[in-house]
Amino acid sequence: DQQVKQNSPSLSVQEGRISILNCDYTNSMFDYFLWYKKYPAEGPTFLISISSIKDKNEDGRFTVFLNKSAKHLSLHIVPSQPGDSAVYFCAARAYGQNFVFGPGTRLSVLP
Amino acid sequence: DAGVIQSPRHEVTEMGQEVTLRCKPISGHNSLFWYRQTMMRGLELLIYFNNNVPIDDSGMPEDRFSAKMPNASFSTLKIQPSEPRDSAVYFCASSRGDGRNEQFFGPGTRLTVL
Repeated sequence: DQQVKQNSPSLSVQEGRISILNCDYTNSMFDYFLWYKKYPAEGPTFLISISSIKDKNEDGRFTVFLNKSAKHLSLHIVPSQPGDSAVYFCAARAYGQNFVFGPGTRLSVLP
Repeated sequence: DAGVIQSPRHEVTEMGQEVTLRCKPISGHNSLFWYRQTMMRGLELLIYFNNNVPIDDSGMPEDRFSAKMPNASFSTLKIQPSEPRDSAVYFCASSRGDGRNEQFFGPGTRLTVL
């Protein structure tokens, strides 16, 4: 049973528009969340994180929102650029535990 | 720093052969992780070392898989004998401290077992 779910395998967005990538989790003990970005033939790279004591964290064009009651987080990219085209992984961990990764969402930003 | 280094980048082998994947973590990182990525299951944690000691190997699929970390700068993941269903991309990652921090991933090894 997947504890971290990314129900959209793929997403296409026009350049300049907002990209919203979603992640749902089942373990209420998760207290720290990360988003990773992965380009083809490369390993995932860290993008942004959020702790469960916050509901929003912003870094430039990237904002992560956390809704603990819904066990849902989302990554917003505004404005989307062609270079943002990649696979995005959501990861979560409970205190003292290792990270659990979602299956990923492939984002395509169309010029 | 060069980042996490993995070799080989690509490996094609025949069923039944032994496969050894190698990883050099970032210097100073105490924790090392081996992951497998497949289309069906995404990124799965296989095994996690802290200070060269295996802490959690519950993700290792079966006895055909083994991992070692003889020192702080080197780890191997071995599959013997390999099977076609082992075909995947295998990532090594390292992090500071006890492994609950941001992980830095290597470029991965794409394994194809024919």
